[in-house]
Amino acid sequence: GQNIDQPTEMTATEGAIVQINCTYQTSGFNGLFWYQQHAGEAPTFLSYNVLDGLEEKGRFSSFLSRSKGYSYLLLKELQMKDSASYLCAVIPASGGSYIPTFGRGTSLIVHP
Amino acid sequence: KAGVTQTPRYLIKTRGQQVTLSCSPISGHRSVSWYQQTPGQGLQFLFEYFSETQRNKGNFPGRFSGRQFSNSRSEMNVSTLELGDSALYLCASSLGTVPQETQYFGPGTRLLVL
Repeated sequence: GQNIDQPTEMTATEGAIVQINCTYQTSGFNGLFWYQQHAGEAPTFLSYNVLDGLEEKGRFSSFLSRSKGYSYLLLKELQMKDSASYLCAVIPASGGSYIPTFGRGTSLIVHP
Repeated sequence: KAGVTQTPRYLIKTRGQQVTLSCSPISGHRSVSWYQQTPGQGLQFLFEYFSETQRNKGNFPGRFSGRQFSNSRSEMNVSTLELGDSALYLCASSLGTVPQETQYFGPGTRLLVL
């Protein structure tokens, strides 16, 4: 089966840095996505990792370690608008399925 | 390019009724996936259609069904609604040719079953 774990909730201060962790156990691995979802809105794509290492994109960075089944999303210079749920999703490699398995999401609250 | 659209955005039904939700993918996208999102379970995969064929299926009862038309638009049907079916139903589209493609989500249909 597929299992993806993320913290349920995190809080941080505006201007700070926060790291959201994701650990996974899946049957094979074809990549890991991070999505951002504001309350009442659709998830939007943030990043994709398939090789080990850090991918930087502006204030957001995503890291992957395939041997450890571990990823994190790093958000720098936090802004109030970063308050949202962050979803980790893994594409397993079983049977040619292209369907990502999602974690339950981490609700990030940014306060002044 | 226009994004993924879903209709209706909000729906209220009573137990035992049936409901049909619609999803129009991004132009050129042939894969449409449906998800159910609830606070307790997160985002759960229902099924995926590619070129009018169901290509993948999640672990939901047979009351949940779907179809895809030749223009890639997709519909999802839930029969004999139960209270537990209250959720946000999201569809997502992609080209559908390789696993690494990003899925683009629609705004969702929020279903309330009374």
